[in-house]
Amino acid sequence: SQQGEEDPQALSIQEGENATMNCSYKTSINNLQWYRQNSGRGLVHLILIRSNEREKHSGRLRVTLDTSKKSSSLLITASRAADTASYFCATRRGSGTYKYIFGTGTRLKVLA
Amino acid sequence: EAGVAQSPRYKIIEKRQSVAFWCNPISGHATLYWYQQILGQGPKLLIQFQNNGVVDDSQLPKDRFSAERLKGVDSTLKIQPAKLEDSAVYLCASSYTATNTGELFFGEGSRLTVL
Repeated sequence: SQQGEEDPQALSIQEGENATMNCSYKTSINNLQWYRQNSGRGLVHLILIRSNEREKHSGRLRVTLDTSKKSSSLLITASRAADTASYFCATRRGSGTYKYIFGTGTRLKVLA
Repeated sequence: EAGVAQSPRYKIIEKRQSVAFWCNPISGHATLYWYQQILGQGPKLLIQFQNNGVVDDSQLPKDRFSAERLKGVDSTLKIQPAKLEDSAVYLCASSYTATNTGELFFGEGSRLTVL
């Protein structure tokens, strides 16, 4: 079963613009991670945010987490054509299992 | 540092045939995962190993799928007999441990087409 859902499902922007994608999940979590997947490739870890954190930065990436709304957002600033990929959130539940459940993904296309 | 290795990258079979996928995780990683990714969807966890023991296989269709991780290193995922709906990319991932900061490292995946 999919724990998270990303929206929008697809996003097309111009190079230099910012891209924002959102992830909503259903149960309490321990942490949330964002991954990127280029076409035909495996997933690559981008950033992890713990349930007691509200915001985290890494280079051009900014992630926020709102546990009261069970949602997270990923902001990519000054996007580049190389950012074209699918982006997935993955959540680990708050207790018990250590497994990570992936969302449905946002397909980002950055136009040069 | 070598990444997660998977083979074969591509496989085409007819329904009711069998297929096996192999994964070699990053050296020292105790936890190994097999995910199934159907086109346009997110990865779905099939099975998770901690060393050579199964942690979670609740979504593994055990009537046709099997997986093993002998000696706690390499792993093999087998499908027998395959169905049309098994067409997907099978992703192997590993992490140092299954604990709180468990970033997953993925292989390139094995794309299966069932005709």
